[in-house]
Amino acid sequence: GEDVEQSLFLSVREGDSSVINCTYTDSSSTYLYWYKQEPGAGLQLLTYIFSNMDMKQDQRLTVLLNKKDKHLSLRIADTQTGDSAIYFCAAGRRALTFGSGTRLQVQP
Amino acid sequence: NAGVTQTPKFQVLKTGQSMTLQCAQDMNHNSMYWYRQDPGMGLRLIYYSASEGTTDKGEVPNGYNVSRLNKREFSLRLESAAPSQTSVYFCASSEVSGSRGQPQHFGDGTRLSIL
Repeated sequence: GEDVEQSLFLSVREGDSSVINCTYTDSSSTYLYWYKQEPGAGLQLLTYIFSNMDMKQDQRLTVLLNKKDKHLSLRIADTQTGDSAIYFCAAGRRALTFGSGTRLQVQP
Repeated sequence: NAGVTQTPKFQVLKTGQSMTLQCAQDMNHNSMYWYRQDPGMGLRLIYYSASEGTTDKGEVPNGYNVSRLNKREFSLRLESAAPSQTSVYFCASSEVSGSRGQPQHFGDGTRLSIL
């Protein structure tokens, strides 16, 4: 089955860029997703990328996909304190496999 | 814009009690899912329903049953709760499942503690 790995923690200063990385194992995953979870809340879909794309940009968010290395990254430009949350990478087809989440801490 | 609604939001059970978690979506989605989230871990799939009338096991189905009551509703039942089932349970829905890979939309979760 699918395995998805993420680093656990990232700390950045407000205004800097954040880059959250993810690796996955199943090359048949059609779409790859990034979700955001704030304390006590459900998961909010941030963005997703189709597996035949290399990059997708959506306002402050940039997703890069290296299909050869099965590596996915999420870049948040001009990171704000409101971006502090846990970010989950997910991959799969019928049902999703989630990474353990990266906790992003934004320092003022 | 209700999206995916889960009830209850919080529940405390004693070991051996039974309980049903409810989930309803108003987006006319075909597929629905139940996940559990444990501290320091990502979400793990318990069961899913690709379409009305079908259900399939996910990664961690033991101790749970599900019912796809109609297109809108998908319930998760714990027949005899155990402390290992203490977790946050999330319901999700998507337009279709399978190779089209439609994104899943999540409810706010049910926080379940079993003593």
